[in-house]
Amino acid sequence: QKEVEQNSGPLSVPEGAIASLNCTYSDRGSQSFFWYRQYSGKSPELIMSIYSNGDKEDGRFTAQLNKASQYVSLLIRDSQPSDSATYLCAALKHGNKLVFGAGTILRVKS
Amino acid sequence: NAGVTQTPKFRILKIGQSMTLQCTQDMNHNYMYWYRQDPGMGLKLIYYSVGAGITDKGEVPNGYNVSRSTTEDFPLRLELAAPSQTSVYFCASRPPGLAGIEQYFGPGTRLTVT
Repeated sequence: QKEVEQNSGPLSVPEGAIASLNCTYSDRGSQSFFWYRQYSGKSPELIMSIYSNGDKEDGRFTAQLNKASQYVSLLIRDSQPSDSATYLCAALKHGNKLVFGAGTILRVKS
Repeated sequence: NAGVTQTPKFRILKIGQSMTLQCTQDMNHNYMYWYRQDPGMGLKLIYYSVGAGITDKGEVPNGYNVSRSTTEDFPLRLELAAPSQTSVYFCASRPPGLAGIEQYFGPGTRLTVT
């Protein structure tokens, strides 16, 4: 079992719709979780971080964490073509090491 | 601040050759990391460092070596290049303090071993 699992996609949504990206993790000791966006040929950039159960909102992005279910999600409202990218979920392990999922490809169609 | 810089951007190596990937950060960050990313995959941690003189293995350290003689620099050494090391390599850094502070990534080095 991979430590952080994501559906590889691609996830296709029409412009203006809500994109929902999901991630599960296996290590119950992980306390901090991150969503990175990565455009093709570029380095990852941090979109959201979440540490507590519940929702965290930042503009069009909402991260959700459910530690009991070991589940993290990212919602993107009013999706734009510029949101088309690969989204990487990461969990922070003991020793300040990030473990990444393989990423979900998101395509927003105009 | 330039942030995290990596050189070279691209490199083609022959099997058995060696090279050093350079990484420098000017943000005075204690923590530095080396990742590799294979096509369609997430990032895998190769080595990391919590400060000058201190390094530790990550998930996939075989075939690589690192050193950390200064806060700014964290070079990654490939001694005997193999085709399995064809990948994109990212260096990252972050400041000390609360766990979960953002890691800043460099632009990456695309390495091909043939």
